Amino acid sequence: DADVTQTPRNRITKTGKRIMLECSQTKGHDRMYWYRQDPGLGLRLIYYSFDVKDINKGEISDGYSVSRQAQAKFSLSLESAIPNQTALYFCATSDAQGAYNEQFFGPGTRLTVL
Amino acid sequence: GDSVTQMEGPVTLSEEAFLTINCTYTATGYPSLFWYVQYPGEGLQLLLKATKADDKGSNKGFEATYRKETTSFHLEKGSVQVSDSAVYFCALRGGYSTLTFGKGTMLLVSP
Repeated sequence: DADVTQTPRNRITKTGKRIMLECSQTKGHDRMYWYRQDPGLGLRLIYYSFDVKDINKGEISDGYSVSRQAQAKFSLSLESAIPNQTALYFCATSDAQGAYNEQFFGPGTRLTVL
Repeated sequence: GDSVTQMEGPVTLSEEAFLTINCTYTATGYPSLFWYVQYPGEGLQLLLKATKADDKGSNKGFEATYRKETTSFHLEKGSVQVSDSAVYFCALRGGYSTLTFGKGTMLLVSP
């Protein structure tokens, strides 16, 4: 079974709709991250959380919100989706104690906003 | 702020050719450096890493050396295979323990 899972894997929605992307992990890591990937732009950090009570904005947080429901769950919400939020979204986790802080990625959610 | 610059792709090679993907960075302090690989339809996987100057990371025939004097971490492989076709991302971990990624370089290897 995958250590980092994301649901849904694909989603098509309309402008103005509220969307939630979910991430779960079984690695026991404290730290979780949300990124978006756009062609030619690489990965950009949206939000990150170092524990359940710690939420931080990343490089491109406008238009997004997050919820850390438990150590293992970190959800990303688009309150009112717009077409330029069409992208591939990745969740990642890391161990706070790891010497290299390696991040482990989920398989991604492809979101299309029409 | 921190930034990573990678050579643009796609890089197109024949099987058994030598590979170099250039990566340079800007950061305060002494970041850790990483190469991640993304195979088609998948998430990113850590390929190799280095945490201090002159460290060499290696994995699956790939190598990269942390060069502080040139702020570089170029990825190399002596003989690529078709199965190496993927997108490669250079990244650094700075003071806040978050990763800053380059834009990625697509590698296409033909038989």
